[in-house]
Amino acid sequence: GQNIDQPTEMTATEGAIVQINCTYQTSGFNGLFWYQQHAGEAPTFLSYNVLDGLEEKGRFSSFLSRSKGYSYLLLKELQMKDSASYLCAVREDDYKLSFGAGTTVTVRA
Amino acid sequence: DAGITQSPRYKITETGRQVTLMCHQTWSHSYMFWYRQDLGHGLRLIYYSAAADITDKGEVPDGYVVSRSKTENFPLTLESATRSQTSVYFCASSEEGRGTEAFFGQGTRLTVV
Repeated sequence: GQNIDQPTEMTATEGAIVQINCTYQTSGFNGLFWYQQHAGEAPTFLSYNVLDGLEEKGRFSSFLSRSKGYSYLLLKELQMKDSASYLCAVREDDYKLSFGAGTTVTVRA
Repeated sequence: DAGITQSPRYKITETGRQVTLMCHQTWSHSYMFWYRQDLGHGLRLIYYSAAADITDKGEVPDGYVVSRSKTENFPLTLESATRSQTSVYFCASSEEGRGTEAFFGQGTRLTVV
C-alpha cells in the first residue's frame, strides 16, 4: 500500500506565502502532482515533479525530494480566490495515481 | 464536446439497487480512473484502467464493478448500493508518458437512501 500525508487545514492572510507539505511512502514512484480543488468542483492540475528540485509556475512553486519522500507546494502573493483544497498525488510505476486527503487553505483579508 | 464527461451529475437511489455511473472521454487517453471523495478521506481510488479490457483494483474496490470495452468509456457499477456508498464520484483520464496529468470529470453526487 501507500501513505500520502499532508496537513488538514492552513490559514493565511491575503498577500502572504503559504507552504503545504506532503510526505509519501509508496512502493514505486513515477511522479508527484499537485491539484487544486474549489468547493463543489473537480480537481484541476497545478504542477508536476519527477526529478528533485523546484518547479516554478507563476505564483505557485512545487519542490520534490525523492530520497526524503517529501514535496511542498508554495503559494505566493495569496489571493482570496486561492481559498481551496490542495491535493498531493503520487503516480506509482504502473500509473496508479493515489491522492492524499487534501489540505484546505483559507485566505483571510 | 471534447473532454471528459460524467453522467448523471446527481443520482438518488435506494439501498440494494444496482446503479451505473457513466464516464466518457474524447481524447483517446489510455488511462482512466474512478475515485470517490468523502469528507476527511480525500480522493480514494476505486478502480483504474490502463487500456481497453485492462482494469485493476484501487484502494476501495469492494462493492464496485468496472468494465472498459472501449477506450473512451469506463462505467462504474454499484452492484447492490449501500448507504456507505453515498459519496461524490470522480472519473479521470490521462495519456501515457511522464508528466501527463490526469483530467477530471465534473463528478457525480450519489445518495443512497
